[in-house]
Amino acid sequence: GESVGLHLPTLSVQEGDNSIINCAYSNSASDYFIWYKQESGKGPQFIIDIRSNMDKRQGQRVTVLLNKTVKHLSLQIAATQPGDSAVYFCAENPLGDYKLSFGAGTTVTVRA
Amino acid sequence: NAGVMQNPRHLVRRRGQEARLRCSPMKGHSHVYWYRQLPEEGLKFMVYLQKENIIDESGMPKERFSAEFPKEGPSILRIQQVVRGDSAAYFCASSPPVAGSPLHFGNGTRLTVT
Repeated sequence: GESVGLHLPTLSVQEGDNSIINCAYSNSASDYFIWYKQESGKGPQFIIDIRSNMDKRQGQRVTVLLNKTVKHLSLQIAATQPGDSAVYFCAENPLGDYKLSFGAGTTVTVRA
Repeated sequence: NAGVMQNPRHLVRRRGQEARLRCSPMKGHSHVYWYRQLPEEGLKFMVYLQKENIIDESGMPKERFSAEFPKEGPSILRIQQVVRGDSAAYFCASSPPVAGSPLHFGNGTRLTVT
């Protein structure tokens, strides 16, 4: 069935480097996408979102890119810090729906 | 403005007992969602509710699980006759009544069935 998924389950990054986390989605009806960060023992925390009428959106140290042609979403984290170590999930929301569908998550580990 | 509040944070139940998980949404949010997360996995949608109504329960197991969001008070996820396979983290989220809004999550209830 259609689902949101991630390319890589783990990512190890040197502190100060940039991180790129990828996500593939297959539901062509999705028009809203969100990246969440989940730290150990906590709930998912909203990072950034993007709608299907955009291909790029920037926040503080984070950028989300959306390629609708290949149904690909990515999250870029600039100057990765130890506090960025967490599991990152992409989630999608089909047009007119309220609930989100989540991918399996990528674990990011920042090396000092 | 308080975030989504869930309690208890940890819940231990013996097989066959009932588990009740509570969720108070953010102020101004009328939509509540319940998700389940197994260790090392993503979040699986269970149910979506508005006040006094279940809107989408397509992710809920057909038996033993129920959810409500009464006019007054928190949303409740109820699991009857728990089994070991019910052990998981259960997250509640809320959103305003606007499609295409981010969901705001609580810190979850970790249910352990012994």
